[in-house]
Amino acid sequence: QKEVEQNSGPLSVPEGAIASLNCTYSDRGSQSFFWYRQYSGKSPELIMFIYSNGDKEDGRFTAQLNKASQYVSLLIRDSQPSDSATYLCAVNTVGSGGSNYKLTFGKGTLLTVNP
Amino acid sequence: EPEVTQTPSHQVTQMGQEVILRCVPISNHLYFYWYRQILGQKVEFLVSFYNNEISEKSEIFDDQFSVERPDGSNFTLKIRSTKLEDSAMYFCASSPVETQYFGPGTRLLVL
Repeated sequence: QKEVEQNSGPLSVPEGAIASLNCTYSDRGSQSFFWYRQYSGKSPELIMFIYSNGDKEDGRFTAQLNKASQYVSLLIRDSQPSDSATYLCAVNTVGSGGSNYKLTFGKGTLLTVNP
Repeated sequence: EPEVTQTPSHQVTQMGQEVILRCVPISNHLYFYWYRQILGQKVEFLVSFYNNEISEKSEIFDDQFSVERPDGSNFTLKIRSTKLEDSAMYFCASSPVETQYFGPGTRLLVL
């Protein structure tokens, strides 16, 4: 069973601080990794994806990937109250046919940014 | 910016009834998916669809479920005989290759 694990939180940070969200995955063959943001009652919204080891930056967001440790993280700099949401880590698994993808999600980490 | 759309936004049905959830994927995307999220639980993969056929399905996607792409734009999920435990948010997603974009979801309540 391929698993994606996240701390459920809640993670509470003050406005302007750095929020650090972590995720581990069990399938060593996984190739692509995604962070989605989900507001309560809404659908997952793509924030970032990362395929290669190292860091990838997009505005206030930085994704970090370490395939040897099977670890993905998301840093949010200058956190804003509007960043308050559940952050979902998702890992893409390619099926046996080579053209079928599916995302395995973690349970998500609830982030609260306090004004 | 193109978006995945889903209808209806909410659906209430009686146990044993059939429901059809509809999705319009982003127009140039090749892969289509259905996921569900039971309240308070993680998002779970149901099925992926590529080149007009199912490419992968999960254990949840049993004989009560079916998917169809009846025309060039719509992608549907049918649940033939709904059970109480089918109550969930159902999300459609599409992708050009790997990166999946989600629709707003249909909240299904089975009474």
